[in-house]
Amino acid sequence: KQEVTQIPAALSVPEGENLVLNCSFTDSAIYNLQWFRQDPGKGLTSLLLIQSSQREQTSGRLNASLDKSSGRSTLYIAASQPGDSATYLCAVKGDNFNKFYFGSGTKLNVKP
Amino acid sequence: DVKVTQSSRYLVKRTGEKVFLECVQDMDHENMFWYRQDPGLGLRLIYFSYDVKMKEKGDIPEGYSVSREKKERFSLILESASTNQTSMYLCASSLPPANYGYTFGSGTRLTVV
Repeated sequence: KQEVTQIPAALSVPEGENLVLNCSFTDSAIYNLQWFRQDPGKGLTSLLLIQSSQREQTSGRLNASLDKSSGRSTLYIAASQPGDSATYLCAVKGDNFNKFYFGSGTKLNVKP
Repeated sequence: DVKVTQSSRYLVKRTGEKVFLECVQDMDHENMFWYRQDPGLGLRLIYFSYDVKMKEKGDIPEGYSVSREKKERFSLILESASTNQTSMYLCASSLPPANYGYTFGSGTRLTVV
């Protein structure tokens, strides 16, 4: 069964800093990987979706990379802002292509 | 944009009650999913459906059932609510091709007392 790990579990940085969130998965046979943001008590908002054939995707200050062979993805956030404070989750779509496997998330706090 | 709407943001129910959680999507997605999210346990798949009247068990189906009579609506049913079903419930939808991602609803925070 696919297992998805996110390290660190929590991260606190000063405003303006560039940062990297990590996601690793045990089975490299994936269809795609999706990064989400979750604010406290809310649902998940999709940030980026990377197909297995792609190396990276960009949206504004966010850049997600994918290295399937090593089972890793990173989410790079440039010039962090207090509004970026949230929990970030990654999910991979694997053997059963209808469903995603989720990591437990990284809780990010950006201090003003 | 695809919208996935969960009918209630917060629910408080009593132990033993039958509880219905409703989820509606407006973009003709075939696949719909129910997850629960608990601190320290992450998101766990309860049930999913890949077509009307079709359903499959996820990782933790015990104590739950589902109904999908129309393509746009996927209901999660707690037959007899228990306190250990207090949780955040999240609905998601997706198109079937493997290269599509999930769209989530805003979640229902259920408390069973």
